[in-house]
Amino acid sequence: GIQVEQSPPDLILQEGANSTLRCNFSDSVNNLQWFHQNPWGQLINLFYIPSGTKQNGRLSATTVATERYSLLYISSSQTTDSGVYFCAVVNTDKLIFGTGTRLQVFP
Amino acid sequence: EPEVTQTPSHQVTQMGQEVILRCVPISNHLYFYWYRQILGQKVEFLVSFYNNEISEKSEIFDDQFSVERPDGSNFTLKIRSTKLEDSAMYFCASSGKDTQYFGPGTRLTVL
Repeated sequence: GIQVEQSPPDLILQEGANSTLRCNFSDSVNNLQWFHQNPWGQLINLFYIPSGTKQNGRLSATTVATERYSLLYISSSQTTDSGVYFCAVVNTDKLIFGTGTRLQVFP
Repeated sequence: EPEVTQTPSHQVTQMGQEVILRCVPISNHLYFYWYRQILGQKVEFLVSFYNNEISEKSEIFDDQFSVERPDGSNFTLKIRSTKLEDSAMYFCASSGKDTQYFGPGTRLTVL
C-alpha cells in the first residue's frame, strides 16, 4: 500500500519563527489533505491540495504530485499553532495518514 | 459553517461490552467514514460507507465492528464485544465530493 512519511517528526520553535513541514508519498494519489490536530485531539482541515499552491493566512501549502511530495509552510508561528500536523492522501476512497509532525511553539 | 458532530465525547466501558458510537455527518454529504487513532499513533482508516452500504473496509474492521445509517442523519459504529486494544479515539468523517471533514472524536476507554 501507499506509504506516507512526514518530516521532521518533531519541531520546536519560538513564536514568530517560520517553518516548513514535508510530506512524501510513495505512489500517485488523487487527493491530499493537511490537518492540524490540536491539543484537544480535534482534527482541523487546513488544505485540500492535490496539486499546486494554496494560501490561507499565515499558512500555505504546495503539492508537487509528479514528484510525490507536499510542503506546508507556517509563517510567523504562534503558540496556538502547537499540535500535530498530518498530511493524508486518498487511496481509492480512504485517507491514508502520515506519521505526523509534532510542533511546539514557545512564547 | 456546517460540521460533523459525534456523541459521546468520552465513553468508558468494560471489556466484552457492546458500544455504539454516534455521528451526525454534514447534511448534504453522501460519503461517510470511520477512523481511529490509538494514543500517540497516526490516524487509521476503518470503513467507508456510501449509498447505504460499506464501500471499503480495513483489516481492523473485523466481524466485531458494524456500521449503520439508521435514519437520514445519524451514522453509527458498533463494537460488539470490546477488547482492551479497542481503546482509542474514534473519528467520524463525511465528504460531499473531495474534502473529508472530521468530527471532534469519541475517546473510547476499555477497562
